[in-house]
Formats: sequence, structure tokens, C-alpha cells
Amino acid sequence: DTGVSQDPRHKITKRGQNVTFRCDPISEHNRLYWYRQTLGQGPEFLTYFQNEAQLEKSRLLSDRFSAERPKGSFSTLEIQRTEQGDSAMYLCASSTNGLAGFNEQFFGPGTRLTVL
Amino acid sequence: GENVEQHPSTLSVQEGDSAVIKCTYSDSASNYFPWYKQELGKRPQLIIDIRSNVGEKKDQRIAVTLNKTAKHFSLHITETQPEDSAVYFCAASRSGGTSYGKLTFGQGTILTVHP
Repeated sequence: DTGVSQDPRHKITKRGQNVTFRCDPISEHNRLYWYRQTLGQGPEFLTYFQNEAQLEKSRLLSDRFSAERPKGSFSTLEIQRTEQGDSAMYLCASSTNGLAGFNEQFFGPGTRLTVL
Repeated sequence: GENVEQHPSTLSVQEGDSAVIKCTYSDSASNYFPWYKQELGKRPQLIIDIRSNVGEKKDQRIAVTLNKTAKHFSLHITETQPEDSAVYFCAASRSGGTSYGKLTFGQGTILTVHP
């Protein structure tokens, strides 16, 4: 499968624990996005990388959230001191640097986080 | 920031009928409008998109229309089939600056096609 992959697919953790998710984009894609989706809602933008540079972060991304893309390839999203409100599906998407910014985003299967 | 409203939240049709889902957006600088289909437990998949320099686009049974003046766009599915049953999301984004490609999604429409 040459699409976007995410690991793990499911994560159950206790409140207060730290969790880290990984996203591997399509190999030639230099743009990478993280979104969060709660039940019955559309995905909400969290953050965006162009190569290794994190260019935009949503106000949804509190200080407990951090994301990296150290070599411009895979990315990690870490949540520290998890809260029950962090329970959601975390989706990663990647795209090329398309003409005039028009670029199809390909989504990964997501990591479903449950905080007990 | 951008705000996207989507209606209806649920839509039930008989196989063979047409289905229409409508979205409005608030940011007049938005210029790219994709539609995603998400089946239960699966990733969102792009089914069609439209750019602001085009008023209508069609791909087999699926079409999208865009009215920039009114800031709304619609998805049309003709000859619906049971396998069209899924959640459909509209989205909007703008090019330029550091907001390249960031998508703002609507709330989703649960489409059910009855055989």
C-alpha cells in the first residue's frame, strides 16, 4: 500500500498519560496535515507542515500538543497529560505542492484515541 | 477564519433517485472546494473537487456546482445506488500565504440509499 499510513490504529490510555502517534505520508508529498475528528463531526485542522517546517497551528492545538516532522518525511503528534476531551480520531493527510495551492489531500486511516 | 455550513445533516433516498447536498462558506478568498466520502470506520476519500474559476464540474454520476457570488456550492448525485450510502463532507480552502491547502470541513451529511 503506497498511501498514507498511520500508527497505531487504535490507542486506549488513561487520563494523564502521554501518547504519540505516527504518520507516514505518500513519499513524494511535501505537505503534511493533522486533523482531529470527533463523532458526527467533520475533521478539524490541527497543524500543517511544508517539508520539515511547521507553518501553521490551530488554536485547537493547546500547549499539551506538539507535532514534528524532523526530516520532512514522517511526522509525529504527541499529546501530553491526556484528558478525556482528547478522545477522537486523529487523521493525517498529505499532498503535493500543487499549482496555485490546489492540491488533493490524501488521508490516512486515522488513529482512534480513547482516554479513560 | 473560514466557516462552512452543510445541509442537510441526514438524507434518505430511494435507489435511482437523485441526492443534493448543499454547503455555504464565509471566506470570499476560498478558492478550492473538495467533497469527501467517508464510509463507516474508513478514511475520507476525495470524490470530486471544484476550483473557483469553474462554475460546474461533472464526473459520471457526480457533479458539483459553485456560486461564488452567493458563496455556496452543491454536490449532486444522480441514479443513486446503495453503495453511495456514506457520510459526505464538503470543505473549503484558500491558496496563498501560510494557509496553503488547509481544509475547513462542513459538519457532514449521512446519505442512506434504500434498495
